[in-house]
Amino acid sequence: KAGVTQTPRYLIKTRGQQVTLSCSPISGHRSVSWYQQTPGQGLQFLFEYFSETQRNKGNFPGRFSGRQFSNSRSEMNVSTLELGDSALYLCASSYNGGEQFFGPGTRLTVL
Amino acid sequence: QQQVKQSPQSLIVQKGGISIINCAYENTAFDYFPWYQQFPGKGPALLIAIRPDVSEKKEGRFTISFNKSAKQFSLHIMDSQPGDSATYFCAAISNFGNEKLTFGTGTRLTIIP
Repeated sequence: KAGVTQTPRYLIKTRGQQVTLSCSPISGHRSVSWYQQTPGQGLQFLFEYFSETQRNKGNFPGRFSGRQFSNSRSEMNVSTLELGDSALYLCASSYNGGEQFFGPGTRLTVL
Repeated sequence: QQQVKQSPQSLIVQKGGISIINCAYENTAFDYFPWYQQFPGKGPALLIAIRPDVSEKKEGRFTISFNKSAKQFSLHIMDSQPGDSATYFCAAISNFGNEKLTFGTGTRLTIIP
């Protein structure tokens, strides 16, 4: 089985711009979770989608949003980028939210 | 509120030695405890996991010890190898499948020759 894929792998944006990241889960997995990883804050949960519905949400501002499509692929969007949004954004897929498998991440740099 | 506390933050172990990483949790509703291994430039990879109905689980050189009454669990890496050098994260989740994973802060493990 192919693993979780994330695109793009690297992204450079400037403050105020918006960005969309994409995640393709493992075939058959219906849950997709997104995490932000930074050296200072570690792995922080953003949100989880299951069958196209947001099932769980972390403590991030409304600038962070996501969605899931009928084929379980997911996107997350960050609007009005801030310098502090620079991070590795990780997507994880699972059949039902438990045992999660991570993708390689998208490294976002905000200048 | 940090619900999973992990220590130490960094660890240096000689090749062939035992690496031990500890985690403590607060939420007694947690019922699944995975460990993840992350190499630089890669996403975390599921290493081993345990449910609270067992006190120990072993897979190769990796063992999880679980103490439900103390609300603690630990990862032991036997015969540590340079290839084990990575960052390790413990995590916990409640109501398996319906809640989010809560991660510890990570331990950077370095195995020296």
